[in-house]
Amino acid sequence: NAGVMQNPRHLVRRRGQEARLRCSPMKGHSHVYWYRQLPEEGLKFMVYLQKENIIDESGMPKERFSAEFPKEGPSILRIQQVVRGDSAAYFCASSGTSMLEQYFGPGTRLTVT
Amino acid sequence: GEDVEQSLFLSVREGDSSVINCTYTDSSSTYLYWYKQEPGAGLQLLTYIFSNMDMKQDQRLTVLLNKKDKHLSLRIADTQTGDSAIYFCAESTEDSNYQLIWGAGTKLIIKP
Repeated sequence: NAGVMQNPRHLVRRRGQEARLRCSPMKGHSHVYWYRQLPEEGLKFMVYLQKENIIDESGMPKERFSAEFPKEGPSILRIQQVVRGDSAAYFCASSGTSMLEQYFGPGTRLTVT
Repeated sequence: GEDVEQSLFLSVREGDSSVINCTYTDSSSTYLYWYKQEPGAGLQLLTYIFSNMDMKQDQRLTVLLNKKDKHLSLRIADTQTGDSAIYFCAESTEDSNYQLIWGAGTKLIIKP
């Protein structure tokens, strides 16, 4: 099964630590999207990347958050100096060039204590 | 602004039809989507409809779109216990066909 993979599934960090979330897109997909889901809310777009390029980061907080999708390896969403408000489920999706169909990974549930 | 609204819960009896509703405000919607999220899992794309269509059917699923009222519905025929999940409505717009705008989800509860 070559679905979208995310790890870790659950991540606990203390305030001030760094969180690194990984996403491997579906085989053959070169477009990656990150979304954040707060409890009992819909998903909110964060960033859209292609290999080695950030295409649209309009949904990313200006500070502490960064994303990359290197030539080799998974896409990484990095949150520095985490705060309690960063606790959420972070979903990664991938698509082919049409972008009409985004396929989602199982998500990483980040808890900041 | 852009907004997608769904009721939070729907309870139906096993074997009945479920109708999950969604309203949106952006008149420049291009595609409207339904995703299913089971507990602890990611989101599964169920179906999507182009905004110029008014209906799409796929096995037990029927999507109806009333573009004038900006109302989208998902009907699940012969609802089964395996249909228990949260169902999300989402739209893409002319401004961005990848930046999906999401409702908060409707939790479908199946009564035996």
